[in-house]
Amino acid sequence: DQQVKQNSPSLSVQEGRISILNCDYTNSMFDYFLWYKKYPAEGPTFLISISSIKDKNEDGRFTVFLNKSAKHLSLHIVPSQPGDSAVYFCAASAFAPGANSKLTFGKGITLSVRP
Amino acid sequence: EPEVTQTPSHQVTQMGQEVILRCVPISNHLYFYWYRQILGQKVEFLVSFYNNEISEKSEIFDDQFSVERPDGSNFTLKIRSTKLEDSAMYFCASSSEHVGGSPLHFGNGTRLTVT
Repeated sequence: DQQVKQNSPSLSVQEGRISILNCDYTNSMFDYFLWYKKYPAEGPTFLISISSIKDKNEDGRFTVFLNKSAKHLSLHIVPSQPGDSAVYFCAASAFAPGANSKLTFGKGITLSVRP
Repeated sequence: EPEVTQTPSHQVTQMGQEVILRCVPISNHLYFYWYRQILGQKVEFLVSFYNNEISEKSEIFDDQFSVERPDGSNFTLKIRSTKLEDSAMYFCASSSEHVGGSPLHFGNGTRLTVT
């Protein structure tokens, strides 16, 4: 049951260039989307989020775009830096009244930024 | 910056034994979670906890699993009789608000190895 899909397992980009990480989802009830970064031997670290009422959210070098009609979101990192090399997880949740909305994660994509 | 801490970082146990994984969430957070990641697979939701009770649990979280907040600071996950397939990274997370209002903050995980 892959409600959140990250179809590309890896991405390699040159330092200074743009990294575009893609994510698709199938559950139309999802209304909150997040990107997490994970280094080996560490837990996921929150990067940026977007609510379904928006189509873009920007935080420094990181921008998330949401296309609800296509059920697609993407994370843009500009400019990419070697320290950005990590596994990036897309996650989504659906508001559930009276409950903690759980996050559903994609499988992750390994980003390598070449110096 | 406040962080979620988990102990131990690595736990090795024999099949059939009980294990307790410990977590100290961020102090002013109210919502608590356990997730796990089997090697090579995606991060999976196990259980959410709010106001001293379970809010939601996944089908993975069967009768062998339990959670507790024994003293107002610790949040524990107990596996009563471990199986080989319980081997995974277990991540604790906390948030100050319902998902959609604030992101989850994860600990660095406990690697559970069942032999």
